[in-house]
Amino acid sequence: EPEVTQTPSHQVTQMGQEVILRCVPISNHLYFYWYRQILGQKVEFLVSFYNNEISEKSEIFDDQFSVERPDGSNFTLKIRSTKLEDSAMYFCASGDAGLVDTQYFGPGTRLTVL
Amino acid sequence: DAKTTQPPSMDCAEGRAANLPCNHSTISGNEYVYWYRQIHSQGPQYIIHGLKNNETNEMASLIITEDRKSSTLILPHATLRDTAVYYCIVRSGGNNRLAFGKGNQVVVIP
Repeated sequence: EPEVTQTPSHQVTQMGQEVILRCVPISNHLYFYWYRQILGQKVEFLVSFYNNEISEKSEIFDDQFSVERPDGSNFTLKIRSTKLEDSAMYFCASGDAGLVDTQYFGPGTRLTVL
Repeated sequence: DAKTTQPPSMDCAEGRAANLPCNHSTISGNEYVYWYRQIHSQGPQYIIHGLKNNETNEMASLIITEDRKSSTLILPHATLRDTAVYYCIVRSGGNNRLAFGKGNQVVVIP
C-alpha cells in the first residue's frame, strides 16, 4: 500500500540554524500539507500546497517557513532560522485531487532545537 | 470549519465493539465528517469519512444521524492496538486543512 515517507525521522539543530524537512508524498497525489505537533499539544495545520503554489497557510507559517516541491516527487519544509519553540513533530500529508481530498500522513520528523 | 465535541477519554473492553461519539451540531451541508486516530506520537491515521450516509470499511463503521448533528465511530472488535487518540473532524471537500481538536483518548483494556 502506498504511503507518505519523511526524512529524517529525528533532526537535532542549534537555534538560528536552517533545517529542511523532506517528504515523499504518495505518487499520484496532487495536494500536499505540513502540520506540526508540539509535545503534548494538538496537531496544528501549517500550510497546504497545490499546483506548485501555496493554497493556504496558517498564522504559524510566517516568513521563517517556506515549502517547495523541487523535483516532482519530494515536498520540503524549510525553516530558515530555527527557534526553541520550533521544536515539535512535523507531519507531511498528501491527498488526491478528487472531490473529497482524504489526507494521508507520514510518520513525522521530530525536530529538536537546542 | 465547524467544531466538534468528543469525550476527552473512554475505556473499551478488548474484543467488544467500541462506540465513539462525536457532536457536530453546526456542520454545514457540504462538510464531511472525518475520523482519524493517532497512536502515541505517530502520524495521524485516516480511518473513515462520510457525508450523510453510513459508511463501513475494513477498519470501522461510521453512523451519521439523519440531521447530521452527530455521528458515532464503531470499532467492531476492539484490540489493544486500537488504543489511540481518536479525532472527529468536519471539513468541506477540496484542498482544505484538517482542524484537529484534542480528540478522545481511547484505551482498550484486556
